[in-house]
Amino acid sequence: QVQLVESGGGVVQPGGSLRLSCAASGFTFSSFTMHWVRRAPGKGLEWVSVIQNDGANAYYADSVRGRFTISRDNSKNTLSLQMNSLRPEDTAVYYCAKALKWGVDYWGQGTLVTVSS
Amino acid sequence: QSALTQPPSVSGSPGQSVTLSCTGTSSDVGTYNRVSWYQQPPGTAPKLMIYEVSNRPSGVPDRFSGSKSGNTASLTISGLQAEDEADYYCSSYTSSNTWVFGGGTKLTVL
Repeated sequence: QVQLVESGGGVVQPGGSLRLSCAASGFTFSSFTMHWVRRAPGKGLEWVSVIQNDGANAYYADSVRGRFTISRDNSKNTLSLQMNSLRPEDTAVYYCAKALKWGVDYWGQGTLVTVSS
Repeated sequence: QSALTQPPSVSGSPGQSVTLSCTGTSSDVGTYNRVSWYQQPPGTAPKLMIYEVSNRPSGVPDRFSGSKSGNTASLTISGLQAEDEADYYCSSYTSSNTWVFGGGTKLTVL
């Protein structure tokens, strides 16, 4: 069955960096677009970034463009999110998610990122 | 990238039908049939309920249905059950090659 397991979350100071990873299994990873979505405490879901199956194109939400970089390694079935210049408002649970057509059909359980001094 | 507009809360009694709305713009909901709906009970990951406006993934009960008119998409839940109580989010692809979520609607089953 499809499994998405995020890792790399933790506590970081404002201005710091963190790299999230997502280990995918149970499907042909290289065939699917992948997303990162986050949910801040007490708030709703926010789309963060998407990368096409071959890594050729990636897009970002305005709130993270220029600070976050999405990437993938299809040989290792791994999705990554490099987060730089972190701000308190980036505090959230970050979900790795597999695309289905124009939606998302599988989500990981999420990894918590806390940006605080 | 303004969030889609959803009512903060909706409630209904068991057995009733409720409709959740999701209003966007001509840059997202109004132009593309690429609207999805997600259910998220507390403390769990979201679950896809509807994709491409009205398609149900396998395993989702046919009590859940989706539609769209102009810039507004809707999710209707018929025969409301206690287990349907959760936060519901809509999402749409946009003309900027990005996605946008709504603020979420908390569904309470009375």
